[in-house]
Amino acid sequence: DGGITQSPKYLFRKEGQNVTLSCEQNLNHDAMYWYRQDPGQGLRLIYYSQIVNDFQKGDIAEGYSVSREKKESFPLTVTSAQKNPTAFYLCASSIERGAGGEQFFGPGTRLTVL
Amino acid sequence: LAKTTQPISMDSYEGQEVNITCSHNNIATNDYITWYQQFPSQGPRFIIQGYKTKVTNEVASLFIPADRKSSTLSLPRVSLSDTAVYYCLVGSQGSSNTGKLIFGQGTTLQVKP
Repeated sequence: DGGITQSPKYLFRKEGQNVTLSCEQNLNHDAMYWYRQDPGQGLRLIYYSQIVNDFQKGDIAEGYSVSREKKESFPLTVTSAQKNPTAFYLCASSIERGAGGEQFFGPGTRLTVL
Repeated sequence: LAKTTQPISMDSYEGQEVNITCSHNNIATNDYITWYQQFPSQGPRFIIQGYKTKVTNEVASLFIPADRKSSTLSLPRVSLSDTAVYYCLVGSQGSSNTGKLIFGQGTTLQVKP
């Protein structure tokens, strides 16, 4: 089955710790994205990557970091510099390298800072 | 990227047709209109995409008037399982504006029995 996976589904972190969220896709898509969603809100773009070894900041990149060493993988690290990291994190991928292309989303990771 | 405006919420009953309208007054010539559906604690799911006039697939129709400043997502004969948040997005394929992708708050559709 082709698709996009995220792990873990739930993640708990103590203040001051860095954590890494996994995102893997086997759709052979060039573009991948990370979004954050807070309760009752829409999605906000954190980082995106249009091709391997390249990535760009979205609207709320502060306190986050990413890497894109392989086409199928786009991990997101939430650093201790992120002031309010508790949220629902969604990873997506698309063939089209633009806002108009259909994006396929993973099931999400819910991060809670204790 | 063109900003979109949608109603915050809508109510409907099972079996009815639901129409959700999205305003995008600043849509650019190369922009497409895309709608997504999101259930609680899940990632959004693509529903339909169009450029002009009418597009129909197995789950919805998308109506776009000639001036393209608005669009209407039409869900025929909704069921309880259509209760979700619906997002309207406007953007061009292959655009360099990916960093400005805006989902907004969407429209929360509540279908009642």
